Amino acid sequence: DTGVSQNPRHKITKRGQNVTFRCDPISEHNRLYWYRQTLGQGPEFLTYFQNEAQLEKSRLLSDRFSAERPKGSFSTLEIQRTEQGDSAMYLCASSFLGGYTFGSGTRLTVV
Amino acid sequence: AQSVTQLDSQVPVFEEAPVELRCNYSSSVSVYLFWYVQYPNQGLQLLLKYLSGSTLVESINGFEAEFNKSQTSFHLRKPSVHISDTAEYFCAVSEVNTNAGKSTFGDGTTLTVKP
Repeated sequence: DTGVSQNPRHKITKRGQNVTFRCDPISEHNRLYWYRQTLGQGPEFLTYFQNEAQLEKSRLLSDRFSAERPKGSFSTLEIQRTEQGDSAMYLCASSFLGGYTFGSGTRLTVV
Repeated sequence: AQSVTQLDSQVPVFEEAPVELRCNYSSSVSVYLFWYVQYPNQGLQLLLKYLSGSTLVESINGFEAEFNKSQTSFHLRKPSVHISDTAEYFCAVSEVNTNAGKSTFGDGTTLTVKP
């Protein structure tokens, strides 16, 4: 068990560019979650998958955000036409029976 | 919709003193409750969880939390803190009808233990 792995650890991008993050969950976990965290706040829910099915997506998430989990294994989160307000830590977590195992996160800076 | 309020954003205490980090939640259905800890420069880790059964749950490093349904609270306590407990602590809630799916987090409490 190598834990939840996220890549890249850091991403700096220019406003208007597209970015993609990857998450590799714990292999036995059927659920995978994406959260966003900004300074001084708790993680904010973005979306989650059970196996390959995307079960819920936050209404706060604009159409510029999309996530996939092909074959129920790793997941990708894509942000199109990035804006400065997208700068945050993007967290991935996986779970099986309640309680998350988090990855170390991807810190996105939009300049 | 569920929500979580962590009543104290910062809690400074001296080493070996007791501490309580307060968490209140709001939900129209039954819930599961969690505490997560984030040590400096590390990721979030699950500290303890309440899913069912005994309302008092314990972690391996001496923390405990008690689910109080009537007061909709899940406060975290430790009778004697160490310098190494310095970290940010997050309370989270999931609704039972989602089978512990999406969790809603509070904004965190920074615990600073001073020598």
